[in-house]
Amino acid sequence: EADIYQTPRYLVIGTGKKITLECSQTMGHDKMYWYQQDPGMELHLIHYSYGVNSTEKGDLSSESTVSRIRTEHFPLTLESARPSHTSQYLCASSEGSSGNTEAFFGQGTRLTVV
Amino acid sequence: DQQVKQNSPSLSVQEGRISILNCDYTNSMFDYFLWYKKYPAEGPTFLISISSIKDKNEDGRFTVFLNKSAKHLSLHIVPSQPGDSAVYFCAAMGRYGGSQGNLIFGKGTKLSVKP
Repeated sequence: EADIYQTPRYLVIGTGKKITLECSQTMGHDKMYWYQQDPGMELHLIHYSYGVNSTEKGDLSSESTVSRIRTEHFPLTLESARPSHTSQYLCASSEGSSGNTEAFFGQGTRLTVV
Repeated sequence: DQQVKQNSPSLSVQEGRISILNCDYTNSMFDYFLWYKKYPAEGPTFLISISSIKDKNEDGRFTVFLNKSAKHLSLHIVPSQPGDSAVYFCAAMGRYGGSQGNLIFGKGTKLSVKP
């Protein structure tokens, strides 16, 4: 059973608001990820981190930012939400940057910007 | 440019029969492949994986086959059960350079198992 948690599960928010999506894992994993997924589409990697104080942009350009001050915590922030940010955001973690290890996913946050 | 392709958006099978989900990839640097299962409004859960040094990996009702020369893998579910109804994502990674060790996902195949 994976121990990775995302809050909130669902969020409806007005345009222009600042939001932070929380992600925490208790497995001590070094690597963490944020994926964005729209219905019927693949999961797109938007951010990842190799460990504390490491953040990298993923394959899909995103206006969001992330931080990694603690190993277990990898929050994602949108400074000014727009309707185009409406999507499902999935956080994941894995043991390291190489090796045969799968990524464990949180339950996801369904964000709707109105 | 999609590096991992699942060309069938949906698949419907009868309970008890075999489900075969297919996946193709283009990046020859990929050397580890995974299948995830996803229910609506949930995160993906890991099902089974295979390293490029193998051509088959089995776990209970789930078997993954890898054909490196064709850059093709498939997931077989036998026998299929109604609880298997979900979206199945194929994912690939290159541990030593390709994709920086990050998982690249396909668009998923929605499996429906009819009772």
